Amino acid sequence: ETGVTQSPTHLIKTRGQQVTLRCSSQSGHNTVSWYQQALGQGPQFIFQYYREEENGRGNFPPRFSGLQFPNYSSELNVNALELDDSALYLCASSHRTKPYEQYFGPGTRLTVT
Amino acid sequence: GIQVEQSPPDLILQEGANSTLRCNFSDSVNNLQWFHQNPWGQLINLFYIPSGTKQNGRLSATTVATERYSLLYISSSQTTDSGVYFCAVEKTSYDKVIFGPGTSLSVIP
Repeated sequence: ETGVTQSPTHLIKTRGQQVTLRCSSQSGHNTVSWYQQALGQGPQFIFQYYREEENGRGNFPPRFSGLQFPNYSSELNVNALELDDSALYLCASSHRTKPYEQYFGPGTRLTVT
Repeated sequence: GIQVEQSPPDLILQEGANSTLRCNFSDSVNNLQWFHQNPWGQLINLFYIPSGTKQNGRLSATTVATERYSLLYISSSQTTDSGVYFCAVEKTSYDKVIFGPGTSLSVIP
């Protein structure tokens, strides 16, 4: 059974640029959630995807967008990067019938300079 | 929205000691989970416990939903227990998951 994977591991971008982060869900899972974790804080829910559609969103502006593909993998896109976007971005997958059984990927560390 | 508080914010234990971590939440919830984030950032799901008591080895958790709190017990702590422990809640299923600020645990030999 393959776990949740994320790429890249680390990324450095300049303010104003755009970034795409990728996540492959665990085998058998059809739901993907994305979280932002600033240093020293708990993860904050960005949004969730199910059946290739956004299915719930936290308090993040529209420049945070996502996609889910037919194989349930997902992308997180952030436009017009700001310094405060520097964080660990976590992806979690689950099955729709067991939303509480989330399995997290190792995260992507994004630094915006 | 729901507020989640965790205490203590930081904890240092001698190896072999026991500890209790607390999570308070401000509204009724449908789901509650405990997670451990290791020093490398990996989040591991420890318990799904919206109510009642569960045990898994040296760890156990109790949620008293009517009083809006949950407790995580760690017995005979080991250095590998170090990291940050998060409580996370959902008001309803498929709602957004809200994490608490975490308890940072350091177990020293």
